[in-house]
Amino acid sequence: DTGVSQNPRHKITKRGQNVTFRCDPISEHNRLYWYRQTLGQGPEFLTYFQNEAQLEKSRLLSDRFSAERPKGSFSTLEIQRTEQGDSAMYLCASSLGISGNTIYFGEGSWLTVV
Amino acid sequence: SQQGEEDPQALSIQEGENATMNCSYKTSINNLQWYRQNSGRGLVHLILIRSNEREKHSGRLRVTLDTSKKSSSLLITASRAADTASYFCATEETSGSRLTFGEGTQLTVNP
Repeated sequence: DTGVSQNPRHKITKRGQNVTFRCDPISEHNRLYWYRQTLGQGPEFLTYFQNEAQLEKSRLLSDRFSAERPKGSFSTLEIQRTEQGDSAMYLCASSLGISGNTIYFGEGSWLTVV
Repeated sequence: SQQGEEDPQALSIQEGENATMNCSYKTSINNLQWYRQNSGRGLVHLILIRSNEREKHSGRLRVTLDTSKKSSSLLITASRAADTASYFCATEETSGSRLTFGEGTQLTVNP
């Protein structure tokens, strides 16, 4: 499978705990995106990387959220001190860094904070 | 905030009928993309139309783009039960490189 891979697919955590999601983009894709999607809504942009540089962050990305992409390959999204409002699907996507290229999404990582 | 707004929010049709979904947006764009999402799954890219294109076809899909009205439509012809899913339009704005999604249209195709 050469698509975007996300792990874990599902995570249930207690409020206040930290969680980390991993995304492996399509190889040779230099752009990597993180989106969040809640039930019945469209995906909302969180952040994106061009290679290892984090170029844009949404206001949705509070100080409890941090994303990294060391070496410009896989990426991690960490949520510290989780809150019930963080319950959502976290989607990763990748593309070749040219405007107009298709952005490919992974299957998402479901987070439930109890 | 969401850039695009899909219309209708929900659409229920019989197998074999055509389904038309509309999307409106607010800013200048480089391109507009349509995605499909089955319940609980990731998004699958369907078709991309650039700002200088007016119509594009892919199999049973037909997309139009009217930049003067800032709107797009997705037509699925001869629908099948397997087309049941949520459909999202997403725009790549001229000012940035990320996609901004609408709220989606939930399509139900009844067998």
